Amino acid sequence: DTEVTQTPKHLVMGMTNKKSLKCEQHMGHRAMYWYKQKAKKPPELMFVYSYEKLSINESVPSRFSPECPNSSLLNLHLHALQPEDSALYLCASSQAGFGNTIYFGEGSWLTVV
Amino acid sequence: AQSVTQLDSHVSVSEGTPVLLRCNYSSSYSPSLFWYVQHPNKGLQLLLKYTSAATLVKGINGFEAEFKKSETSFHLTKPSAHMSDAAEYFCVVSIPQTGANNLFFGTGTRLTVIP
Repeated sequence: DTEVTQTPKHLVMGMTNKKSLKCEQHMGHRAMYWYKQKAKKPPELMFVYSYEKLSINESVPSRFSPECPNSSLLNLHLHALQPEDSALYLCASSQAGFGNTIYFGEGSWLTVV
Repeated sequence: AQSVTQLDSHVSVSEGTPVLLRCNYSSSYSPSLFWYVQHPNKGLQLLLKYTSAATLVKGINGFEAEFKKSETSFHLTKPSAHMSDAAEYFCVVSIPQTGANNLFFGTGTRLTVIP
């Protein structure tokens, strides 16, 4: 099973709201990722967790707050977002270490109004 | 430095004809290279992966890619296009990060299949 599950599939939120995106995998992967994808653009890395510790933060604004409560779950907490944050947010996972395949979820479509 | 160049932003083929999507890379490391496909409003699906075991890599749905070190290329091909192949295709190089990987994406090639 090579499945990464993301919820919700669609989210509309106001600029003062607090919401969360959730991601789950049961492949025993110890690296998990958040990517952001704007329309007609390639995905851009936001965060990397390795063995449940944040190892990469690609200069993401603090209104995005990642959390990895255990080796199967990855959350992205959202607060005080801007309309330009509207995008597809993709979660992914892989075995730790170089060269391993990264498996993606179907994404959460976020619209900030 | 790592980079990936997809030479065509849009490719249009007739159903049943061959597909060629071009990709050139540069990498400071011995590269791991991937092709991912993204259908409209969907996530990314792995088509195939090169990790130096064999230069001709076979993937899902009849796709294959050949790694040519001398040309720094990793072009994606399929002998006969199907309507379901219409999608966005990303050539990707993997670079090591602390305990994990980062995928460096090309800008994508949109494949249109004409009936």
